[in-house]
Amino acid sequence: SQQGEEDPQALSIQEGENATMNCSYKTSINNLQWYRQNSGRGLVHLILIRSNEREKHSGRLRVTLDTSKKSSSLLITASRAADTASYFCATPHNQGGKLIFGQGTELSVKP
Amino acid sequence: EPEVTQTPSHQVTQMGQEVILRCVPISNHLYFYWYRQILGQKVEFLVSFYNNEISEKSEIFDDQFSVERPDGSNFTLKIRSTKLEDSAMYFCASSGVSHSYEQYFGPGTRLTVT
Repeated sequence: SQQGEEDPQALSIQEGENATMNCSYKTSINNLQWYRQNSGRGLVHLILIRSNEREKHSGRLRVTLDTSKKSSSLLITASRAADTASYFCATPHNQGGKLIFGQGTELSVKP
Repeated sequence: EPEVTQTPSHQVTQMGQEVILRCVPISNHLYFYWYRQILGQKVEFLVSFYNNEISEKSEIFDDQFSVERPDGSNFTLKIRSTKLEDSAMYFCASSGVSHSYEQYFGPGTRLTVT
């Protein structure tokens, strides 16, 4: 399978705490992307990290990529209740760039 | 900020009927996609479209499905004869000058087949 696999499947934390989600994949990649999905809504692109990058920041988000271990992590610092959502990693494949998604991590941030 | 739009937001149809789901991708994007998400399951790729033809399609995308970009702005997904198992959220996405770029997703159309 080429898909990303996230863990944990579910994460429940208090507001203000940090949340870390991990993703593993199986094939070589050009880049890895993280998306957020609020319940019943569309996917929102959060951040893209290229295969030659090891770390990337965007606001309260920090993404790392370890191509030797075929893994990535997404850290959300100082979490807020509004961060409650499902988070997916995805990698583009083949000529058409189709994204392969994992099952996602369901994050719940309690106020 | 430009965004992908989809209509309708919710479509209810009877089994065997044809449905057309519509999308307006971001205007300068070149790559277009349809994905679906059955309730409680992960997002699955259906089809990618570039230069007015299908680049790739999944096993799900059988002869009942077709896509079209009829007028340079709309991108449609047609299901010819819907089945109960076609009930899902359908997402349209587009990306820019390279298929490796981030994809921008629309809000989705919830299709309910009764």
